[in-house]
Amino acid sequence: AQSVTQLGSHVSVSEGALVLLRCNYSSSVPPYLFWYVQYPNQGLQLLLKYTTGATLVKGINGFEAEFKKSETSFHLTKPSAHMSDAAEYFCAVSEGTGGFKTIFGAGTRLFVKA
Amino acid sequence: EAGVAQSPRYKIIEKRQSVAFWCNPISGHATLYWYQQILGQGPKLLIQFQNNGVVDDSQLPKDRFSAERLKGVDSTLKIQPAKLEDSAVYLCASSSGLAGGAYEQYFGPGTRLTVT
Repeated sequence: AQSVTQLGSHVSVSEGALVLLRCNYSSSVPPYLFWYVQYPNQGLQLLLKYTTGATLVKGINGFEAEFKKSETSFHLTKPSAHMSDAAEYFCAVSEGTGGFKTIFGAGTRLFVKA
Repeated sequence: EAGVAQSPRYKIIEKRQSVAFWCNPISGHATLYWYQQILGQGPKLLIQFQNNGVVDDSQLPKDRFSAERLKGVDSTLKIQPAKLEDSAVYLCASSSGLAGGAYEQYFGPGTRLTVT
């Protein structure tokens, strides 16, 4: 069965500092992996996703994530945090094709200090 | 392109009452999802439709929750009777492809339900 673990329910960084949000997953087959962001009072929106091919995936707003099969990880990074990055971030995994559900992690709230 | 619409945005009811939520997905999207997001947790899938057929409802508490998607477009989610533990944000999402898989899901703003 697939599952997602996000390490750290809260992460705080200074503006301009590196952002690193951790995600580990378990899956019995090669998974599809996603990062979604949720701003206050808004719905979730896709930051980036990994399906096949290149393991380093670039997304919107300068974020990127690397799929590491050996570590079953899909950590999200951004070289320099901006105040507007403050939000909740969800890692999600989906297995295979048609009929498999997407499982979301518990989320990590990112705080950015001026 | 219009996004996923949900109504109402907020709802407060007493326990044992009933409530219904409405979702209008992005035009042309075949797959529709309902999620429950309890405070401090990630979204949990309740039910997913492909067109007007149910693909997965394994986590839907069927003794009190029901959902339908008539004509493969709009969908309603109903709770009857509501319990205190149903207090959550109910998210609707849609995607253009088959259920699950690699397709991006587009989320609505959610309905925040408070059961007192």
